[in-house]
Amino acid sequence: AQKITQTQPGMFVQEKEAVTLDCTYDTSDQSYGLFWYKQPSSGEMIFLIYQGSYDEQNATEGRYSLNFQKARKSANLVISASQLGDSAMYFCAMRELDSSYKLIFGSGTRLLVRP
Amino acid sequence: DVKVTQSSRYLVKRTGEKVFLECVQDMDHENMFWYRQDPGLGLRLIYFSYDVKMKEKGDIPEGYSVSREKKERFSLILESASTNQTSMYLCASSFRGGPHEQYFGPGTRLTVT
Repeated sequence: AQKITQTQPGMFVQEKEAVTLDCTYDTSDQSYGLFWYKQPSSGEMIFLIYQGSYDEQNATEGRYSLNFQKARKSANLVISASQLGDSAMYFCAMRELDSSYKLIFGSGTRLLVRP
Repeated sequence: DVKVTQSSRYLVKRTGEKVFLECVQDMDHENMFWYRQDPGLGLRLIYFSYDVKMKEKGDIPEGYSVSREKKERFSLILESASTNQTSMYLCASSFRGGPHEQYFGPGTRLTVT
């Protein structure tokens, strides 16, 4: 069965430093996609970055990059040069692309950026 | 820009009441989803719809029903609200197929007393 695990319930990072949020996943499918979402205190889920299982390069979107290690089934989010506005909940999610419309979410990591 | 709107940000209902949560998207997406979010549990899928009048159960459909009469609108119905349905409810939409991300609405925080 599909599963997403985020083992860090909460993290702190100093402003302007980089931070890595961990995500491991479990699937028996070969074709899947991995997503990261940010949820500020306002509640809306904001899409950050996507990595396909067949993508050979790690995805990057501005200050966000995804450290994809397929053999280890991990898809960690790296935020460079943290800003105060990065303080939020972060969710890792997965979808098996050929068989399902469903996104399976992890339990989330709360990131707090210190000034 | 994609926009997903939900009818209420906050809602307070009494046990046993029928509750309607409305979601509208303006991007002609085929897929629409209803999730509930509870602390420590992440988001859990209640129902989703891949076309008008089509629906499929998610992981926690008990106590809920849905309606999709128009492509842009997806309603979540609590037939008889209970206190264990107090939660944050998030609607999302996406294009069908492929690696398309889901776009989320702002959420409805429902309290059942």
